[in-house]
Order: sequence, then C-alpha cells, then structure tokens
Amino acid sequence: GQNIDQPTEMTATEGAIVQINCTYQTSGFNGLFWYQQHAGEAPTFLSYNVLDGLEEKGRFSSFLSRSKGYSYLLLKELQMKDSASYLCAVKDSNYQLIWGAGTKLIIKP
Amino acid sequence: IAGITQAPTSQILAAGRRMTLRCTQDMRHNAMYWYRQDLGLGLRLIHYSNTAGTTGKGEVPDGYSVSRANTDDFPLTLASAVPSQTSVYFCASSEDSNFPPYGYTFGSGTRLTVV
Repeated sequence: GQNIDQPTEMTATEGAIVQINCTYQTSGFNGLFWYQQHAGEAPTFLSYNVLDGLEEKGRFSSFLSRSKGYSYLLLKELQMKDSASYLCAVKDSNYQLIWGAGTKLIIKP
Repeated sequence: IAGITQAPTSQILAAGRRMTLRCTQDMRHNAMYWYRQDLGLGLRLIHYSNTAGTTGKGEVPDGYSVSRANTDDFPLTLASAVPSQTSVYFCASSEDSNFPPYGYTFGSGTRLTVV
C-alpha cells in the first residue's frame, strides 16, 4: 500500500530552527509537496520538490531524496505565526496526491 | 478575489437526509477535487474531475456523488447521510491534473456533522 509518515507533533522555541521529516512509500513518484494548515483553515501551498536537493524559499526550505523516499521541511527563525500543521503529500504514478496525516508544530515563546 | 468558494461553511444534518456541498472556482482551473479531513488522518480523496464533463472516484467514494457540468462548479452530494460522514470537507482545484507545480488551491472547507 501507499504510505506517508510524519511525526504527529513537534514543539520548538520562537527564533529557533525546526526540521519536520516525511518518509514515503508510493507507487511511483511525480513530486512532493509541503502545505501549511492553520487550525480551522484550509491548507496552503508551501513548496514543491521533484528533483533531489534543497529548495529554499525565504525562511522555509524543503529537501528531497528520492532514493531514500525522504523529505524534510526546514523552518528557520521561527515565529509564533508558524504554529500550524504541516502536511506532506506525494503525487504517485497516477498523478494522485497521497497525503500524510500532518505534523502539528507548536511554537513556544 | 480569485479562488474557491465553498458553501455552506458548516452544517448539522440529520442522518438519512440528502445534502449537496457546493464548490465554485473562478480561476478557470481544469482539475477539481473533493477531500475529507478527519482528525489523525491525512486528507482523503473522495472524487475528482480532471476536466469539465468527466469525474473519477478517489480513495473513499462510497456514499458520495459528484458532477462537473462546467469548469467552475463541482458539487458534492451525500445521498443519504450517515454519522461516519461527519468530517471537514475541502474542495480544491489545480490548473492541470498532471502538472501542478504550484499544487492545489483549497476552499475554506465545510464542517459537516451528521447526527
């Protein structure tokens, strides 16, 4: 079967750095997405990786290793507004998105 | 403002009743999707439409139906609601089903409670 694994919850301190990991086992691979979802709101797009390596976008970076079935989202200079759930999703060989359950990130002052 | 509009925002529905969740987008996206999101689970695809006039079944289609008469609208119907359909429902769209480098745009969701 297809599976996306992420930690359920993480806690970090304002101003620090946090890395959220995602491992996947899917039938085929056509890209990996990270989304941010604040409580009670819709998911919003953060990043897209289809080739191995690091994609940097401001305070957020996303890394992909296709051979290891592994990605991480790196958040720097954490702010209180970064408290949210972070969803990892992989597009499989049928171009359907398979979603992880999400990682709830709690930022403490 | 371009985006996706879902209605209603929330609803309490008696079991056995029929209900249609509405979804409209103004971005002229070809592909549209309905997901349900339950605590502790990832978003699960109910139905999708790659282009107007076509629909397909997702991971959890039972008890739901959709139609795609035009590009903008993609309603989701629960023929006879059951308590297990209590969930938050998200409609989403993308320019193309196969090459969405910028991912999906989501509506604000419909919180449905079946009692």
